[in-house]
Amino acid sequence: NAGVTQTPKFRVLKTGQSMTLLCAQDMNHEYMYWYRQDPGMGLRLIHYSVGEGTTAKGEVPDGYNVSRLKKQNFLLGLESAAPSQTSVYFCASSYSTGQGGGEQFFGPGTRLTVL
Amino acid sequence: GNSVTQMEGPVTLSEEAFLTINCTYTATGYPSLFWYVQYPGEGLQLLLKATKADDKGSNKGFEATYRKETTSFHLEKGSVQVSDSAVYFCALSSGTSYGKLTFGQGTILTVHP
Repeated sequence: NAGVTQTPKFRVLKTGQSMTLLCAQDMNHEYMYWYRQDPGMGLRLIHYSVGEGTTAKGEVPDGYNVSRLKKQNFLLGLESAAPSQTSVYFCASSYSTGQGGGEQFFGPGTRLTVL
Repeated sequence: GNSVTQMEGPVTLSEEAFLTINCTYTATGYPSLFWYVQYPGEGLQLLLKATKADDKGSNKGFEATYRKETTSFHLEKGSVQVSDSAVYFCALSSGTSYGKLTFGQGTILTVHP
C-alpha cells in the first residue's frame, strides 16, 4: 500500500497563476483533509471532506477550493496564487469514527513557493 | 473554540537525557489527544494518543498522560536518542468534529551524541 501520496512535491508559481494539488489514498478512508504548515504556527486546516462528493471549510479556507469526486482523491486548487500562500501543504486521511479519535495518515507534503 | 499550546522551542539535549515537552489545551467536551512526530523532509506520523481522562499513550519509549484536571498532555521520554531529533506536535480532536485536528505550533527537538 502506498498510503497517502501527494503530487507535485515542489512547485514555484508566480502571483496570479493557478494550480491544483492532488492527494490520493489507497486505504479506503472516508475522511480527507488539507492542511498548510507555516513556521511557528503548526498545521492549520484548510478544507476537509467526510465522504465522496462532500467538502467543508476548515480554519483557513480563503483563496482555496477543493473537490472530492472520487473517494480516493482529494484535490486542492489555488485559483489566483498569492505570496501569502507560500507554504508546505499536507494532505491526510482517516477512517470514520463516532468518537473523533481516528488516526490521521499524512502524505509527504508539497512545498509551494509563490513569487 | 479549541486550541493547543506547546512549550516554546527549540529543545536541544544530549543523548540519554530526559525529555519533557509540555502541552496544554482548551476544548469543549471531551477531546481525544495526540502527539505527532515529523522527521526531516517527511510528513507527520502518529506517535501516541489518548482518548479519555487518565489514559496513558505510549510508543517507542515516549509516554503522555491525559490530565483533564490540568488540561495537559505532556510528552516524556526517559532517555532520548539522536534518532529522536524531529518536530513534535501536540493535537486534539473533539468528539463531533469528524476527526479534524487542532495542532500546537510544534517543538523542534535536536539530540546531540
